[in-house]
Amino acid sequence: GESVGLHLPTLSVQEGDNSIINCAYSNSASDYFIWYKQESGKGPQFIIDIRSNMDKRQGQRVTVLLNKTVKHLSLQIAATQPGDSAVYFCAENNNFNKFYFGSGTKLNVKP
Amino acid sequence: NAGVTQTPKFQVLKTGQSMTLQCAQDMNHNSMYWYRQDPGMGLRLIYYSASEGTTDKGEVPNGYNVSRLNKREFSLRLESAAPSQTSVYFCASSTANTEAFFGQGTRLTVV
Repeated sequence: GESVGLHLPTLSVQEGDNSIINCAYSNSASDYFIWYKQESGKGPQFIIDIRSNMDKRQGQRVTVLLNKTVKHLSLQIAATQPGDSAVYFCAENNNFNKFYFGSGTKLNVKP
Repeated sequence: NAGVTQTPKFQVLKTGQSMTLQCAQDMNHNSMYWYRQDPGMGLRLIYYSASEGTTDKGEVPNGYNVSRLNKREFSLRLESAAPSQTSVYFCASSTANTEAFFGQGTRLTVV
């Protein structure tokens, strides 16, 4: 099966600081990656995605970096806000269009 | 736009009872998914449907059956519920190689 894992289960940051959430994947055939945010009691919400032909993609306050050599993905959140507190998941997708998820990182933003 | 709608939102079953979780999407997506999420864990793929009339097993299909009734609807059936199936179930949909959109989840408890 697929294996997508996260290095840190919990991350605490001060409001206004930058956050970095990491993710390792094992399937070198994966060509599409997504970061999701999940708030308590809700379904995952799309944040940003990146395809394997890119190594960086930026959104509003978020940046995703992809290192295919070491099969590593990261999500950077700039100027972290209390509303960013949630669990963040990375997901990988291969040619068969199945999404496989990591176990998640809980982000705590301290005021 | 309703997006992905799951019913019911909550359910309590006795061991051995059966039930069907319903999912419908109004985004004209070809692909649909069923995931389960256990406490402190990521989402694990139960079944996947690439298009109407096709289904495929995911990581944890044992104890479940699915039906892709039409393009909009994808149901998940538990024939004989077990306590190990206590979980939050998420349905999702996507077009080919784009992000998956998730419903709000069904919280199932088997006693």
